[in-house]
Amino acid sequence: GAGVSQTPSNKVTEKGKYVELRCDPISGHTALYWYRQSLGQGPEFLIYFQGTGAADDSGLPNDRFFAVRPEGSVSTLKIQRTERGDSAVYLCASSSSSGNTIYFGEGSWLTVV
Amino acid sequence: GENVEQHPSTLSVQEGDSAVIKCTYSDSASNYFPWYKQELGKGPQLIIDIRSNVGEKKDQRIAVTLNKTAKHFSLHITETQPEDSAVYFCAASTGNNDMRFGAGTRLTVKP
Repeated sequence: GAGVSQTPSNKVTEKGKYVELRCDPISGHTALYWYRQSLGQGPEFLIYFQGTGAADDSGLPNDRFFAVRPEGSVSTLKIQRTERGDSAVYLCASSSSSGNTIYFGEGSWLTVV
Repeated sequence: GENVEQHPSTLSVQEGDSAVIKCTYSDSASNYFPWYKQELGKGPQLIIDIRSNVGEKKDQRIAVTLNKTAKHFSLHITETQPEDSAVYFCAASTGNNDMRFGAGTRLTVKP
């Protein structure tokens, strides 16, 4: 498919465990975004990559959250020592260049029990 | 930073009626205003967007209006159909990868 691909679509983990969420952006898109969406809320910005570097990580809630994009394509969002409050849908999006329309994936639904 | 407010949070209309969703934004430098539709278990999908150099844009049954002076923009859906039922989000951006979203409007179209 040509869209943004996210895996896993669903993840249930125990409190305190480590989780990785993967995003494969639209081919050729240089900008990649992670958002978090809680039930009944709009997407909340976490981090933005332009190429390999994190151009803006001001939305990451604390140092348990980290994201990488080592080759400027696939990105991984990493959450350490998960807490029940981390339960949400984690959305990835990409765009062709700065400021252009962003396209979302289907999201990864994380449940921490 | 940008703050986007969206109203109403829920909206129920009869099939065939019109639906209007309104948003306000805080950053006068914002110049790009997309609207997304999100169905249950899916990611948000772009349905229409408007840039600050125009006041209105229309695509079939969907239109968006922008008032830069008042810093508000609206989504209008005419001749609503049951398949329009979803959650709609507005967003605003200055073009510097700072897109921020409203809290969403759950639209229900009753047949």
